[in-house]
Amino acid sequence: QVQLQESGPGLVKPSETLSLTCAVSGYSISSDSYWGWIRQPPGKGLEWIGSIYHSGSTYYNPSLKSRVTISLDTPKNQFSLKLSSVTAADTAVYFCARRYCSSATCYENWFDPWGQGTLVTVSS
Amino acid sequence: EIVLTQSPATLSLSPGERATLSCRASQSVSSYLAWYQQKPGQAPRLLIYDASSRATGIPARFSGSGSGTDFTLTISSLEPEDFAVYYCQQRRNWPPLTFGGGTKVEIK
Repeated sequence: QVQLQESGPGLVKPSETLSLTCAVSGYSISSDSYWGWIRQPPGKGLEWIGSIYHSGSTYYNPSLKSRVTISLDTPKNQFSLKLSSVTAADTAVYFCARRYCSSATCYENWFDPWGQGTLVTVSS
Repeated sequence: EIVLTQSPATLSLSPGERATLSCRASQSVSSYLAWYQQKPGQAPRLLIYDASSRATGIPARFSGSGSGTDFTLTISSLEPEDFAVYYCQQRRNWPPLTFGGGTKVEIK
């Protein structure tokens, strides 16, 4: 069973870079796979940040593209998110997720399972 | 960017009642629409994908319908554990992938 766990600093100062990792267990990220980062400001809805294939190809939300980098760390079986020049508007719970796979096939851009999420607060 | 509008924002119902949630897209997404359930303090869970296919392990009381711009999530008979927030998401035109603003199903 695939499980994901986000980790990283819970507090980041304005203008600095937010860095999170998503540790994956029960599945090798070097296998055919597709992963995503999604965030949720407190009390608000979901926003897709970006995604990465096992090949390393990445796709980003245009609204964040200039500040986002998603990458794989295959030896550690994890992937990471970096968001630069953060402001208070980047305060959110950050989730990592894998594409959904039924018994028959996998579907890019439907996400399940998800990690439990980690709250990142941007404040001085 | 495709905007997804969910209605109503809040639905107040009793256990055993039928819930009907709506998601409208600003342009056609064909059948590339999914529904997620999120409970307080938890991550979202995929319920329905490709507009009408139930994800693995999802009870049959959850069903999805629609295509193009108008979609519906129906919960045939609400169980206590179904009171939650529900989001729709499209993958027809991306990036970006977009989510609706959510519908909260609360106990009346």
